[in-house]
Amino acid sequence: QQQVKQSPQSLIVQKGGISIINCAYENTAFDYFPWYQQFPGKGPALLIAIRPDVSEKKEGRFTISFNKSAKQFSLHIMDSQPGDSATYFCAAEALIYGGATNKLIFGTGTLLAVQP
Amino acid sequence: NAGVTQTPKFRVLKTGQSMTLLCAQDMNHEYMYWYRQDPGMGLRLIHYSVGEGTTAKGEVPDGYNVSRLKKQNFLLGLESAAPSQTSVYFCASSFGQPNQPQHFGDGTRLSIL
Repeated sequence: QQQVKQSPQSLIVQKGGISIINCAYENTAFDYFPWYQQFPGKGPALLIAIRPDVSEKKEGRFTISFNKSAKQFSLHIMDSQPGDSATYFCAAEALIYGGATNKLIFGTGTLLAVQP
Repeated sequence: NAGVTQTPKFRVLKTGQSMTLLCAQDMNHEYMYWYRQDPGMGLRLIHYSVGEGTTAKGEVPDGYNVSRLKKQNFLLGLESAAPSQTSVYFCASSFGQPNQPQHFGDGTRLSIL
């Protein structure tokens, strides 16, 4: 129940195309869903996040779509650029035994390559 | 503006050796975390701390110990390194409030021979 399943494992997109990464979860207690972006040799960095009370959040070329009933959420990268080539992790925030900590459960990651 | 700093960046150990990974943050964050990242497995939480002097086990704590003697530092120790502990280790910190981002360091790449 604590898992977050992410697909695909890798993705190749042409410059200008749309990149789509999907995640699914089981635990209905999750209430915060961030996406992290990681470049080679660097740590993950927060890209965009959503709460389950909204169905979509857009920041520039990046959009999260959230389907609460299906327990699924996805990241869409519009007009993908070579500089977007990175590993993307979805995550979900859970409480630990009702305590106030933002423990994150991460998906397994998607390696995105945007070809020029 | 350092953020989260991890030392060392790379290390090679022999099986059975011990070592300590250091994480330092300058953002006055209350919570700190240690993760390991392995291919195809994402980031898995090893241990975390919700404040100075406190630590707790995460998802994969076996073989590791941690200490948080100062608010800004979080140490991860391997008492007797094993090849299964070959990984990239990331430290993160946050204010600890719900829905707040975690800030990551750039990792320590550790190889156990």
